Amino acid sequence: GAVVSQHPSWVICKSGTSVKIECRSLDFQATTMFWYRQFPKQSLMLMATSNEGSKATYEQGVEKDKFLINHASLTLSTLTVTSAHPEDSSFYICSARDGADTYGYTFGSGTRLTVV
Amino acid sequence: GENVEQHPSTLSVQEGDSAVIKCTYSDSASNYFPWYKQELGKGPQLIIDIRSNVGEKKDQRIAVTLNKTAKHFSLHITETQPEDSAVYFCAASFTGNQFYFGTGTSLTVIP
Repeated sequence: GAVVSQHPSWVICKSGTSVKIECRSLDFQATTMFWYRQFPKQSLMLMATSNEGSKATYEQGVEKDKFLINHASLTLSTLTVTSAHPEDSSFYICSARDGADTYGYTFGSGTRLTVV
Repeated sequence: GENVEQHPSTLSVQEGDSAVIKCTYSDSASNYFPWYKQELGKGPQLIIDIRSNVGEKKDQRIAVTLNKTAKHFSLHITETQPEDSAVYFCAASFTGNQFYFGTGTSLTVIP
């Protein structure tokens, strides 16, 4: 089946630094990738949608200058949390949509970000 | 936009019993309804999905039913096992575009 690799699985960073999270589709071309944020015991909240080669579309309330998303190729999207603060600590999950399958939608394994 | 409600938020069943989780959606245009299982510290895993042109789908111990008129769909797990313990999320989507997730159900299967 389709596999999405997300890296790193966890990261601890100091307040004020930036952190980059990678999301790769291993065996399919992902025309669209999605980034979610999940707080403990809560549902997934969509942060942004990115299409290969174009700017990401951010959900209302998500700071585009703080959460930089790049989708430069059909197999890789990155989320950079800039000038991280403790309130940015969360579980970040990507998902990728197979360009050849309207309903082919696979999640990554998530990244636990802790800002200290 | 779409609004998905999910009940119950927590569910405990004895091993071997059945578990049922229900979701309602608001947008009649939604036509794709996946269910995901999420274990602690991991990303969601698709366990079953249903499209609006069918009313029921089954895969071994897991089944999903859809009532388009009432705009609700349900997940049924039979012969539950301890490894079924996890958080389950329903979602609604129009043609695989943006997904709207339910609030999750924490299922505990008691051995």
